[in-house]
Amino acid sequence: EAGVTQSPTHLIKTRGQQATLRCSPISGHTSVYWYQQALGLGLQFLLWYDEGEERNRGNFPPRFSGRQFPNYSSELNVNALELEDSALYLCASSLGLAGADTQYFGPGTRLTVL
Amino acid sequence: QKEVEQDPGPLSVPEGAIVSLNCTYSNSAFQYFMWYRQYSRKGPELLMYTYSSGNKEDGRFTAQVDKSSKYISLFIRDSQPSDSATYLCAMRTGANSKLTFGKGITLSVRP
Repeated sequence: EAGVTQSPTHLIKTRGQQATLRCSPISGHTSVYWYQQALGLGLQFLLWYDEGEERNRGNFPPRFSGRQFPNYSSELNVNALELEDSALYLCASSLGLAGADTQYFGPGTRLTVL
Repeated sequence: QKEVEQDPGPLSVPEGAIVSLNCTYSNSAFQYFMWYRQYSRKGPELLMYTYSSGNKEDGRFTAQVDKSSKYISLFIRDSQPSDSATYLCAMRTGANSKLTFGKGITLSVRP
C-alpha cells in the first residue's frame, strides 16, 4: 500500500513569492493535516482538512492557506513568502475518525526562501 | 509554559543500552499519546500509540503514560545503531485531531 506522498521534494523561492505544496493521502484516508517543522521550533500544526472542509487551523497568518480536492489530495499555499517560512512542510493523513485515528506522515517538502 | 515539554538532547548511548525518553505536558485534556521516530530527511513514522495510563510494549519498545503526573516515557531496550534518529512525543485531545508535538530529541547509538 502506497504511503502519503508529497511534491515537490525541494522548493526554492525568493521572498515575496508564492509557494504551492501538494499532498496525496493514503488510499481510503479522508483527513489531511499540514505541519511545519522549522529548525529549533519542532513540529507545528498548520491546517486540517476532512471531506473537503477546513476543520481546524493552527496559529499561523492567513497567508498560509490550502484546500482539499474531491479525491482527498490537498494543496498548501504560502503567499508573500518570508525568510522564516523556510522549513520542512509535512503532510499527514488519517481515516478521519475524530479521537481514535492515527496520522501517517509523508516525507515532506523542504521549502527554502532566499 | 509550552503545552508539551521534551527532554533536550542530543543523547548518545552505546549499543545495547537501555534508553529512556521523556515528555511532560500541561494540558489535562490530552487523551491520546504517541511516539514518532524521524530519520534524517524523512517524515516521522509512528512507533507507539496509547490512550490509557500504564505501559504498552512492542518488541524492544515500551511506552509508559502517567496521566496523574502528566508524564509519558518511551523506553528502548537493547538499543541498536539503527535506532539512531530523532524521537518526537505527540499528543492530542479527542476533540480536534491536531497533534501537539514535543521538540524532539536526537538519539545516537554508538556501535
